[in-house]
Amino acid sequence: DAKTTQPPSMDCAEGRAANLPCNHSTISGNEYVYWYRQIHSQGPQYIIHGLKNNETNEMASLIITEDRKSSTLILPHATLRDTAVYYCIVRNDYKLSFGAGTTVTVRA
Amino acid sequence: EAGVAQSPRYKIIEKRQSVAFWCNPISGHATLYWYQQILGQGPKLLIQFQNNGVVDDSQLPKDRFSAERLKGVDSTLKIQPAKLEDSAVYLCASSRGQGAYGYTFGSGTRLTVV
Repeated sequence: DAKTTQPPSMDCAEGRAANLPCNHSTISGNEYVYWYRQIHSQGPQYIIHGLKNNETNEMASLIITEDRKSSTLILPHATLRDTAVYYCIVRNDYKLSFGAGTTVTVRA
Repeated sequence: EAGVAQSPRYKIIEKRQSVAFWCNPISGHATLYWYQQILGQGPKLLIQFQNNGVVDDSQLPKDRFSAERLKGVDSTLKIQPAKLEDSAVYLCASSRGQGAYGYTFGSGTRLTVV
């Protein structure tokens, strides 16, 4: 699977949008971009995934650049409960390979 | 639907002892995964089952770790003998199939080896 690069940490103000970047410059044409998050003492939780087009669901939006070498996860209105480690994963087969992720802290 | 159930939630053992973890996946999910998560790191896949067959165990330390999924439902992961470096959270996940996007994870078992 292609390697991803994420910032180790970021802060966000409650009620504001949180934009989480991810670089995946070696992504190939059939690889999907997945986002999971892990709240303290819980297992990872699926957020969203996409191939080429931007995607939106009730949790977040995923913006993938036209060359697919990077993507951004957007949490539109961050709450304190969104404090977690967010993982960006590139997947082309049945395996999910997690990196270290980005620790997001939402502050009141 | 009920989530992925794991037990025990916590376990403390001495090195060289044995330990077993249990996982009950979501009903109807054919694929089951065991991950190991060391503090400060992302989860690492240990083994994947499709029904009761092993699909991938390339990252499983087979000299001390074993896993089974009898009847294609519940699964057990065992460590014997445990080492200090096995201290980690062991996560179980399941999905409808190998290509399914929605893995559902359990809350994990936190193992401390002293």
